[in-house]
Amino acid sequence: EAGVAQSPRYKIIEKRQSVAFWCNPISGHATLYWYQQILGQGPKLLIQFQNNGVVDDSQLPKDRFSAERLKGVDSTLKIQPAKLEDSAVYLCASSLQGLAPLHFGNGTRLTVT
Amino acid sequence: GDSVTQMEGPVTLSEEAFLTINCTYTATGYPSLFWYVQYPGEGLQLLLKATKADDKGSNKGFEATYRKETTSFHLEKGSVQVSDSAVYFCALMGGFQKLVFGTGTRLLVSP
Repeated sequence: EAGVAQSPRYKIIEKRQSVAFWCNPISGHATLYWYQQILGQGPKLLIQFQNNGVVDDSQLPKDRFSAERLKGVDSTLKIQPAKLEDSAVYLCASSLQGLAPLHFGNGTRLTVT
Repeated sequence: GDSVTQMEGPVTLSEEAFLTINCTYTATGYPSLFWYVQYPGEGLQLLLKATKADDKGSNKGFEATYRKETTSFHLEKGSVQVSDSAVYFCALMGGFQKLVFGTGTRLLVSP
């Protein structure tokens, strides 16, 4: 079984620039998550999709972050404009509908200078 | 809201020592509990889980028991190896399949 795929693996941008991350979940997994992991902290949920609908985006900074999951499969997370404090690893995860566990991708490490 | 508290690290041990990493939680209802591990340069991997009170999750020599009376899910291993060096995250899943993590505990095992 192929795992959760994420790209790019690393990204360095200057503040006020924009950036996008891509995630391809495990085939058949209806639930998709984006987490932000700041160095030294645990992952924090940004947004959760069930198929192509948003279940929870309460911790997504909507003034600069956006995410979509067209057709209920792949997802993109965008930051525009980026701030220094957005430097983190962005993790994508997926799970079967209604069932744990979550399967995580290797993440995208973002550095904002 | 739901939350997880785990002991700060790093935890530094010699090979074959006994390991305990404490984890307590706050949640409404009856969450499922998990330990995830993150090896250097790799993504998060599920280590073990427990879905109801008194369940014991186990994997690769690690164990954790779901204690509802103390709201705890401490991770233990009888004899650690250098290859166990990693960051360990305690997590809970309550309503709406939302997984909430603790801050992580780094384990360093020396030969």
